[in-house]
Amino acid sequence: QKEVEQNSGPLSVPEGAIASLNCTYSDRGSQSFFWYRQYSGKSPELIMFIYSNGDKEDGRFTAQLNKASQYVSLLIRDSQPSDSATYLCAVKVKAGTALIFGKGTTLSVSS
Amino acid sequence: GAVVSQHPSRVICKSGTSVKIECRSLDFQATTMFWYRQFPKQSLMLMATSNEGSKATYEQGVEKDKFLINHASLTLSTLTVTSAHPEDSSFYICSARGDRNEKLFFGSGTQLSVL
Repeated sequence: QKEVEQNSGPLSVPEGAIASLNCTYSDRGSQSFFWYRQYSGKSPELIMFIYSNGDKEDGRFTAQLNKASQYVSLLIRDSQPSDSATYLCAVKVKAGTALIFGKGTTLSVSS
Repeated sequence: GAVVSQHPSRVICKSGTSVKIECRSLDFQATTMFWYRQFPKQSLMLMATSNEGSKATYEQGVEKDKFLINHASLTLSTLTVTSAHPEDSSFYICSARGDRNEKLFFGSGTQLSVL
């Protein structure tokens, strides 16, 4: 059973702080990793994807991947109230297959 | 990014009726489409994978006779929930992948409520 685990939260941070979202996965052979943001009642929207160990930065977002620890994280710098949403971690085990999603972490940014 | 159109966005129907949900890739050819279902506060659960021109592959526990998937063209896949019951009420989301693109693009989702 391939699994993706996330802390459901809620994770509460004040505006301007760094929010750190974590995800672990069970299949050591997983190839690619995605972070999606989902607002209530809406479909997920892709924030970032990462394939290689290390950090990948895009604006206020940084994805970090450690394949040895089977761990992927998302950092959101200068958090804004509009960042309040559920963040879904997703893993693709091999090319061409569907994504396996975690249950998501709810982030609440207070102004 | 690529656009995937899904409709209807919301359906309310009586128990026993069938509901068809359409998913279209608007600016790319989707060789593969995935159908997910999401219950409140739960993760997206993969229901089936459909490839253009072939039968869909269903995940364990998903009834293929109840959830009919047709992927007749490279831009259109449909999911029909047959004889819907209240327990089928859920948020259904399609996603599409182009031939050269490993990223998935999601439709806007369909909230199905069966009375």
